[in-house]
Amino acid sequence: AQSVTQPDIHITVSEGASLELRCNYSYGATPYLFWYVQSPGQGLQLLLKYFSGDTLVQGIKGFEAEFKRSQSSFNLRKPSVHWSDAAEYFCAFMNTGFQKLVFGTGTRLLVSP
Amino acid sequence: EAGVAQSPRYKIIEKRQSVAFWCNPISGHATLYWYQQILGQGPKLLIQFQNNGVVDDSQLPKDRFSAERLKGVDSTLKIQPAKLEDSAVYLCASSPSRTGELFFGEGSRLTVL
Repeated sequence: AQSVTQPDIHITVSEGASLELRCNYSYGATPYLFWYVQSPGQGLQLLLKYFSGDTLVQGIKGFEAEFKRSQSSFNLRKPSVHWSDAAEYFCAFMNTGFQKLVFGTGTRLLVSP
Repeated sequence: EAGVAQSPRYKIIEKRQSVAFWCNPISGHATLYWYQQILGQGPKLLIQFQNNGVVDDSQLPKDRFSAERLKGVDSTLKIQPAKLEDSAVYLCASSPSRTGELFFGEGSRLTVL
């Protein structure tokens, strides 16, 4: 079945430390992959997307993600976390027909002082 | 550019009552989505429209949920009768055709008592 998995439910990072959120996908071909962020009481905002080409993708707010076909992964990274990054992060998958964006279960990021 | 508009933002009803949510997508966006997000979970696609036609409604509980997209623009999602497990945030999103990027509204939070 086509799906994305986010193995970490919660992650706590100290402000200024680096961050990596994990995402694994299951699909027979190269999917379209996305990271969205949801702040409390807000809708979802697209951080970055991968369709093809360069496997290291730059997004907004200093985030980046790397597509690794051999590991079926699309992990999100940020070199230095700010308190305002505390939010829920969702990895999402879409097949190459641009149908049906499927979300993972999310990872809640907590930022400690 | 105006974003995706949703109303109402909050609704509290008793079980077996009915409720309707409205969504106005970004102008010119052909694809419209309704997602259900239960607390602590990732958004789940309920229905996807392409213009005024249904692309995917495989996860819409059709015995109680219905949705329409009038003239290929705004959309209404209705629940009748509501159950306790329908308590969730209902997110509307729109997308230009075949880009994979969804723009989300702030959601409508439903509480069923």
